[in-house]
Amino acid sequence: DQQVKQNSPSLSVQEGRISILNCDYTNSMFDYFLWYKKYPAEGPTFLISISSIKDKNEDGRFTVFLNKSAKHLSLHIVPSQPGDSAVYFCAAKGRGSTLGRLYFGRGTQLTVWP
Amino acid sequence: NAGVTQTPKFRVLKTGQSMTLLCAQDMNHEYMYWYRQDPGMGLRLIHYSVGEGTTAKGEVPDGYNVSRLKKQNFLLGLESAAPSQTSVYFCASSQVWGGNQPQHFGDGTRLSIL
Repeated sequence: DQQVKQNSPSLSVQEGRISILNCDYTNSMFDYFLWYKKYPAEGPTFLISISSIKDKNEDGRFTVFLNKSAKHLSLHIVPSQPGDSAVYFCAAKGRGSTLGRLYFGRGTQLTVWP
Repeated sequence: NAGVTQTPKFRVLKTGQSMTLLCAQDMNHEYMYWYRQDPGMGLRLIHYSVGEGTTAKGEVPDGYNVSRLKKQNFLLGLESAAPSQTSVYFCASSQVWGGNQPQHFGDGTRLSIL
């Protein structure tokens, strides 16, 4: 049973606009949430993270929002650029021997067109 | 900075053959991981290691074995390859288990079992 869900397999956005990628989770014991970006034929690279004690974290064009009561987080990219076209994975982890590992969603393919 | 290096990058096997995938990291990380990624799926953890000489099962360990004889290397073995093991395999490493510190990934090994 998937504990991290990305229900949109794809998203298409025009260059300069905002991209919003969504992620839902089921386990309330998760403490940290991470976003990874993956280009074809490459490994995932870390993008941004957020702790469960925060509701927002910002890094340049990337902002992650966390709504604990809804068990929902989102990644905002503003403005979107063609180089942002990639698969974005949401991942979560918590404390303890089992939750310390990363649990991944299935990913969302973002396409940014000129 | 090499980071995490996986060899080989591509391999085609026949059903029943065996092979070993090698992962090497130069960041002196304690923790190492093997994942597989299948189309439309997120990354699923096969096995992991919390230090030299230790290994543990992840989410999908059946059909695989691992060894961590040296801190910098983590080997994934397929004793008798099956078509269901056709996948892209990613190795990762991290300095800590929990917290928001990310895992660092290699570029993957694309394995096809005929």
